[in-house]
Amino acid sequence: DAGVIQSPRHEVTEMGQEVTLRCKPISGHNSLFWYRQTMMRGLELLIYFNNNVPIDDSGMPEDRFSAKMPNASFSTLKIQPSEPRDSAVYFCASSPWGAGTDTQYFGPGTRLTVL
Amino acid sequence: AQSVTQLDSQVPVFEEAPVELRCNYSSSVSVYLFWYVQYPNQGLQLLLKYLSGSTLVKGINGFEAEFNKSQTSFHLRKPSVHISDTAEYFCAVTPYNQGGKLIFGQGTELSVKP
Repeated sequence: DAGVIQSPRHEVTEMGQEVTLRCKPISGHNSLFWYRQTMMRGLELLIYFNNNVPIDDSGMPEDRFSAKMPNASFSTLKIQPSEPRDSAVYFCASSPWGAGTDTQYFGPGTRLTVL
Repeated sequence: AQSVTQLDSQVPVFEEAPVELRCNYSSSVSVYLFWYVQYPNQGLQLLLKYLSGSTLVKGINGFEAEFNKSQTSFHLRKPSVHISDTAEYFCAVTPYNQGGKLIFGQGTELSVKP
C-alpha cells in the first residue's frame, strides 16, 4: 500500500491567497483526520470524517478554514484567505474505523508558508 | 476535557544508554493511550498503544511503556538506544467515547549522541 498521500509537500503563498491541501487516505480506511503542527501549539486536530461525513470540526480555527471529503479516496483542506499565522505543517491521517482503539496512519505532511 | 503533559521537551542521551520519556495525562473519562514517533521531515507512526489488559505494553524498535492508572502516567522506555532513535516522540490519548479523536502532548525531542 502507498500509505496516506498528501499534496503538495510544500506550499509558499502570499497573504490573502487561497490555499488548497489535498489528501488521499489508505484504501479501505473509513476515517480521515486533518491535523496542524506548529511550534507554539503542537499537534492539533482540526477536523475528522467517518464514512465521508464530518464528525467533529471543533478544532477548525475559524471560518477561513473549510474541509471536504467528496468520496472515500479524497479530501481537501482549504484556507481562504490565508494569513501568515496559518503557516504550519498540515498532516492528514486515516484509520480503519475511526474507533478509539484504531491506529492512525499519517501522511508526510504539507509545509505551508504564508508570506 | 483531556490533556497530556510530556514532562521533558528535550532528552539528550548517549548511544546504548537507557532512556525514559515521561507522559502524564488528565481525563474525567477512561482513555486509550498511545505513543507515536516522528522522524525528521516525516509523518507520525505508531510505536505502541495501551487499550486494556496488561499494563506493560511492548512496541516496535524495542520500546515499551507502562500504564499506571493511579498516577495517570504512561512512560516510554528503552533499555539501550541507538543513533537511529533520534526523533520526536508524542504521547497521546483518546477518550473512550470520542471515536478516534487523538489529543497529543507537546512532544519530547530525543537526541542520541555517539
